[in-house]
Formats: sequence, C-alpha cells, structure tokens
Amino acid sequence: SQQGEEDPQALSIQEGENATMNCSYKTSINNLQWYRQNSGRGLVHLILIRSNEREKHSGRLRVTLDTSKKSSSLLITASRAADTASYFCATDRSGNTPLVFGKGTRLSVIA
Amino acid sequence: GAVVSQHPSWVICKSGTSVKIECRSLDFQATTMFWYRQFPKQSLMLMATSNEGSKATYEQGVEKDKFLINHASLTLSTLTVTSAHPEDSSFYICSARDTGSNTEAFFGQGTRLTVV
Repeated sequence: SQQGEEDPQALSIQEGENATMNCSYKTSINNLQWYRQNSGRGLVHLILIRSNEREKHSGRLRVTLDTSKKSSSLLITASRAADTASYFCATDRSGNTPLVFGKGTRLSVIA
Repeated sequence: GAVVSQHPSWVICKSGTSVKIECRSLDFQATTMFWYRQFPKQSLMLMATSNEGSKATYEQGVEKDKFLINHASLTLSTLTVTSAHPEDSSFYICSARDTGSNTEAFFGQGTRLTVV
C-alpha cells in the first residue's frame, strides 16, 4: 500500500518561480528520498535525507524532513522548463527494505 | 555511481504469450531486488521483493503464478509475465540496493509492456 501522500498532486508555475512539494508518510522511516520521473521514463534520484537529518541542499534543491510530523518538503528554486516532470518521495524502514512511494506531484514549468 | 540495467526497455506481445524482463546490477551485488509496476499517471506500486537463492515475496494482490520472479545470482533478477493480457500492459521497473548499504536505491530504466 502507498506509504506517502504528496501534495499538491499537480503544480503549474512560471519559469523562474520556486516550486514546493510536500510529502507525508505514516510509519517510522530509515531515510526519505526524492525522485524525478519524466513522462514514460525511469526514475532519477534527486536527494536522500536520513531520519536524523532535518535539511539538505543539492544545487537548486532543498529538502526538509520533520520526523515529528512525518513530513518532508522538496523546494526547487528558480525553476526551469526542464524541471517539468513528476516528483515522488519514497521511504524505507531499513537499507534492505523496499522503497514505498508516494502518489507524486506533477510539476509543469511554463516558459 | 551504481547502475542497474533493465532489459528490454519496451516490448509488445500478443495476449496469451509470456514476456521476460531482466534486471541486472552492473557494479555491485544485490541480495535483494524489487519489482514495481506503474500505470499511466500513477505512482510506483511494489509488486514483489526478489531474494537471491530463495522465493520471492509478493505484495498482497499480486499473483505469484502470473508474475514469476527468479533471482538466480547476486546480479540478476528476472520477472516473467505469464499468459499476458491487455490489462498487464504497464511500466515495470526494477530496483536494487547495494547489500547492507544505507544509500539510495538504484532503478532500472523501466520496461514498457504493451499486450495486444
């Protein structure tokens, strides 16, 4: 069953604006990861944040994790048309357990 | 970085035939691999956990006799869709993690299966 819920389900913004996507999960986690998927393609790993971390940056990406609220957010700054994709959060309970994916957010960046 | 190779990337088959999808970890060993299915505009749903040298563990609602999984070595898992029907048309993705490593999971490129 799905672990996470992302919101919004769909987001449309202008190029240059920031995009924020949120993810909530239900059980305790080992770490949380964000992935991007272009239409009909495989997954691209964006960033991993461990359960004992609160914030992580990678280029234009900023991820936060609040384990007390069982939620995470992904911020993409200065968005580009090439950022148009679906974004998924995924969690696991240990290094050998499968990732469980949220429903995803479809981001459209309009040039 | 670690690479997981999935083959084929797309396949079209006739109803009633079987299709085999391969998932290989190219530069690391994986005692466990995972198979997901994704329908259009939906998220990835875990189908089964493939265990090297033992039986796969299937998620509730996934027919083990229809989706045969074989994990014969530490670098290869296969998913065979048997007696395929049009409703089996989907995007199938495998995933592997470096054994015991607390790192990201690596995903294959996915296989687009169309059953006609």
